[in-house]
Amino acid sequence: SQQGEEDPQALSIQEGENATMNCSYKTSINNLQWYRQNSGRGLVHLILIRSNEREKHSGRLRVTLDTSKKSSSLLITASRAADTASYFCATVVFWGKSTFGDGTTLTVKP
Amino acid sequence: NAGVTQTPKFQVLKTGQSMTLQCAQDMNHNSMYWYRQDPGMGLRLIYYSASEGTTDKGEVPNGYNVSRLNKREFSLRLESAAPSQTSVYFCASSEKTLDRDSPLHFGNGTRLTVT
Repeated sequence: SQQGEEDPQALSIQEGENATMNCSYKTSINNLQWYRQNSGRGLVHLILIRSNEREKHSGRLRVTLDTSKKSSSLLITASRAADTASYFCATVVFWGKSTFGDGTTLTVKP
Repeated sequence: NAGVTQTPKFQVLKTGQSMTLQCAQDMNHNSMYWYRQDPGMGLRLIYYSASEGTTDKGEVPNGYNVSRLNKREFSLRLESAAPSQTSVYFCASSEKTLDRDSPLHFGNGTRLTVT
C-alpha cells in the first residue's frame, strides 16, 4: 500500500474559507513534501518540511508534521477559486525515492 | 527556462508495439525520475537516475527500460506495450537527491493509451 495517504479524498469549500487536508504515512521519513496538480498538468512543488521540523509557512500555506503520529497536514487559508486542484503529499525515505499518496481533490467555489 | 520537457504529449499504441518517451531538463539537475499516474491514484515511481550514468528501479519497473543519455535527458522505453501500461507518464528532475531536501520539478506528462 502507499506510504502516504491523504484525507479527505475530496473537499469542497467556498471562496474565503480555509482548507485542511491530511497525510498519514507508515515508516520513518527524511522529509515530506506537498504538491499541487491542476487538471491535465504536471505536479508543482508547494512546500517541504524536514523530519526535525514541526511547522512551516509559505504565504497562505501552513504545513505541520507530527512524526510521533506519522502524519502531516496542509492548511490553505483564505482559499481562492484558483486553488482548485488536487493536492498530494510525498514522503522521502531513501535518497532516490519519494512515495506519493492518492491525493485530495479540492474544489473552491466562487 | 523551459524546465522539464516531455515528448510526445499524447500517444496511442497497439498491444505489442514499442515506443520511447523522451524527457529533457534545462535546469542542470543531477537526478531524474519517471512516474506513472493512473486515474484516481497518486504517482508511482518506475525508474530513477540519481546522477548521469546511474539508473535504479522504482516501485513498478516491469515492462520498462530507461536510458540516462546525458545529464539533460532521461528516456523511458516500452519494449512491448500492454493495455495495463495505459497511463499518464510524468518525468521529473531534482537538483540533488531527495534526501537532501531537493524538491521535484515535473513535466506536463505524456498521455499513453494502449489498445
